[in-house]
Amino acid sequence: GAVVSQHPSRVICKSGTSVKIECRSLDFQATTMFWYRQFPKQSLMLMATSNEGSKATYEQGVEKDKFLINHASLTLSTLTVTSAHPEDSSFYICSATQGAYSNQPQHFGDGTRLSIL
Amino acid sequence: QKEVEQDPGPLSVPEGAIVSLNCTYSNSAFQYFMWYRQYSRKGPELLMYTYSSGNKEDGRFTAQVDKSSKYISLFIRDSQPSDSATYLCAMSPLSGGYNKLIFGAGTRLAVHP
Repeated sequence: GAVVSQHPSRVICKSGTSVKIECRSLDFQATTMFWYRQFPKQSLMLMATSNEGSKATYEQGVEKDKFLINHASLTLSTLTVTSAHPEDSSFYICSATQGAYSNQPQHFGDGTRLSIL
Repeated sequence: QKEVEQDPGPLSVPEGAIVSLNCTYSNSAFQYFMWYRQYSRKGPELLMYTYSSGNKEDGRFTAQVDKSSKYISLFIRDSQPSDSATYLCAMSPLSGGYNKLIFGAGTRLAVHP
């Protein structure tokens, strides 16, 4: 089945550090990748949608200069949290889909737990 | 009002019980409905994927969609302790150039031996 790999799984760093998270589709070409944020015992909140080769589309309230997204190839998207602060601590999850239409399911990575001290 | 409502639980059942998980929604444009299972500290895993109204069965899992009532369900038969997880419903409209999903809050399920 479709496999999405996310790395790293856990990051602990000091306030002010920039952190890069990678999301890879291992056995399919992902035309679209998504980045979510999940707080404890809450559902997934979509942060942004990225299509290969174009700029990401951010959801309302998400700072695009704070959360930089790059989708340079059909198998890799990266999320960089710039100058991270304690309030950015969260569980970040990516997903990928082969198709650009609603009848293609999303497959998720295992998430990255980010802790900013 | 949220677009998708899901009771967060927790729901605790004995092993072997039939579990019923539900979501309601308000947007009649939703056409694609999914159920994901999420274990602690892991990403969601796709369980069931259905289009429009009707039933779909896969092993011990049955998904039902009633678009007239804007209500979807997931049934788990012969529940096992390994089914203990958070179950998220998700849905998507027919139109749209990309696959934006709206998630429910998730229902935490505990199956005890």
